[in-house]
Amino acid sequence: DAGVIQSPRHEVTEMGQEVTLRCKPISGHNSLFWYRQTMMRGLELLIYFNNNVPIDDSGMPEDRFSAKMPNASFSTLKIQPSEPRDSAVYFCASSFTGSSGNTIYFGEGSWLTVV
Amino acid sequence: DQQVKQNSPSLSVQEGRISILNCDYTNSMFDYFLWYKKYPAEGPTFLISISSIKDKNEDGRFTVFLNKSAKHLSLHIVPSQPGDSAVYFCAASDKDSNYQLIWGAGTKLIIKP
Repeated sequence: DAGVIQSPRHEVTEMGQEVTLRCKPISGHNSLFWYRQTMMRGLELLIYFNNNVPIDDSGMPEDRFSAKMPNASFSTLKIQPSEPRDSAVYFCASSFTGSSGNTIYFGEGSWLTVV
Repeated sequence: DQQVKQNSPSLSVQEGRISILNCDYTNSMFDYFLWYKKYPAEGPTFLISISSIKDKNEDGRFTVFLNKSAKHLSLHIVPSQPGDSAVYFCAASDKDSNYQLIWGAGTKLIIKP
């Protein structure tokens, strides 16, 4: 059974360029999360979708960041324009949110370097 | 305001001994708790969870204990193995927040051979 699949695994881009990170959640899961991990802040929740609808985007740092989930099997996180301080590992995770707890399963992450 | 706290940034344990990782929380509404393990360059991996209706859950070498009155949980690994060296995150959730996870800062466990 495939886990959460993220692409690209590694991305190096120049400041000002657009970056698009992609995620395929686990089939049957109804919640999708985008996290960012940095040395300074640890693991931060950026945005959370439930049934393809954004529920909480309070963690999105600024307007340069946007996320979409056009269907249950695909989501994107876009940064436009990118800046060096956006360099981090971006994790996508999914879960089935039911009535008895919420175990989240993570992808392997997209390592972004903005130079 | 940190609702989930892991006060030890790192812990060093001899191989074969017991590793005990601790986690404290402040929100009494939390009803589901999880431990994740993270290796460098990989995503966090779910390890074990416990519901607030229990005080202990065991899975092989891993046992999680929950003390609701103290708002404290711990993860015991016995015996510790070199492959257990990783960062361990504690997380908590409650149904009122639609089960979004609140994360601790993590504890780096180092198993010495």
